[in-house]
Amino acid sequence: GAVVSQHPSRVICKSGTSVKIECRSLDFQATTMFWYRQFPKQSLMLMATSNEGSKATYEQGVEKDKFLINHASLTLSTLTVTSAHPEDSSFYICSARDPRGRGNEQFFGPGTRLTVL
Amino acid sequence: AQSVTQLGSHVSVSEGALVLLKCNYSSSVPPYLFWYVQYPNQGLQLLLKYTSAATLVKGINGFEAEFKKSETSFHLTKPSAHMSDAAEYFCAVSDQGDYKLSFGAGTTVTVRA
Repeated sequence: GAVVSQHPSRVICKSGTSVKIECRSLDFQATTMFWYRQFPKQSLMLMATSNEGSKATYEQGVEKDKFLINHASLTLSTLTVTSAHPEDSSFYICSARDPRGRGNEQFFGPGTRLTVL
Repeated sequence: AQSVTQLGSHVSVSEGALVLLKCNYSSSVPPYLFWYVQYPNQGLQLLLKYTSAATLVKGINGFEAEFKKSETSFHLTKPSAHMSDAAEYFCAVSDQGDYKLSFGAGTTVTVRA
């Protein structure tokens, strides 16, 4: 099956710094990737849809300047949390759509645990 | 926009007992439907999906789900629970013309020995 990786799996940073999270599709080309945020014991909240070669589409309430998304190639999307603060601490998960598949299935990365001190 | 409701935030079953997780969606047009499983501190793994083919869908690890249009439901079942089934389960829905997934709130399954 299609495999999606994320790096790093865990990051701890100081308040005010920026953190970049990478999402890669390893064995397929993903024209569309998604970024989710998940708080403890809660469901996934879609933050944005990342399209290769174009600007990301952000969900209502998500700050574009806070969460920068770049989808520069068909296998890589990055999420940069700028000027991170403790309230940005969360589990961030990316997913990718395999255009060869049927039914809008998304393949998920293993997630990145961000802790902002 | 699609929405999905998972009935029961927590389900506790005995090992070997039936697992039943309920999911209802809101749509007049049959969407694509998915069940995902999440283990602690991990991403989501697809258990099974409905994409307008057979209404009874078989997935991995002995799980299956039945799409019932009249009830707008897509309940997940497993005849005999195993300790390894303890995890968080999410039902998700997607319009056929939209790649976005909308997730339910999730159901935590615990399995008693």
